[in-house]
Amino acid sequence: GAVVSQHPSRVICKSGTSVKIECRSLDFQATTMFWYRQFPKQSLMLMATSNEGSKATYEQGVEKDKFLINHASLTLSTLTVTSAHPEDSSFYICSALEGAYNSPLHFGNGTRLTVT
Amino acid sequence: GNSVTQMEGPVTLSEEAFLTINCTYTATGYPSLFWYVQYPGEGLQLLLKATKADDKGSNKGFEATYRKETTSFHLEKGSVQVSDSAVYFCALPFYGGATNKLIFGTGTLLAVQP
Repeated sequence: GAVVSQHPSRVICKSGTSVKIECRSLDFQATTMFWYRQFPKQSLMLMATSNEGSKATYEQGVEKDKFLINHASLTLSTLTVTSAHPEDSSFYICSALEGAYNSPLHFGNGTRLTVT
Repeated sequence: GNSVTQMEGPVTLSEEAFLTINCTYTATGYPSLFWYVQYPGEGLQLLLKATKADDKGSNKGFEATYRKETTSFHLEKGSVQVSDSAVYFCALPFYGGATNKLIFGTGTLLAVQP
């Protein structure tokens, strides 16, 4: 089946530094990928929609200059948390759309970010 | 846009007990409805889905029926196992019928004890 690989699975960084998270579709091309942030007590928040070759579309309240998304190829999207602060500590999950409208959505295993 | 409300957890059950996790929604039209499962430390996996009213999605012993009269999509399993311990999310499209952009419920943690 379709696999989405997310890397790293865990990262610890110091406040003020930037962290890049990669999301790869291993056996299919993903024109569209989504980035979610999972808060304590499990709630998932959609952060942005990443489209190959174009700018990401951010949801209301998500700082695009802080959470930089690049979707440079049909198999790779990256999320960079810039100038990270402890409040950015969270579980970030990507998902990739296998095809177009109404196609299956596949999720990565998530990245646990801890900012000290 | 659409919205979803899911019962809060945690839900703690003994092995072989009956499980129900409630999910209700508000939506324009009749969008597809989904249940996702998240095992500890992992991302989400699609558990089951239903694409139209009265459809029943099923997988791994779990079932959910699309009820347009009550705008509900409750998840059920007749006999849970320890391996079912996970967080369960009800989901539907953000708007209209576009299934590629989903909104998730708050998740319900299920803990099954031997």
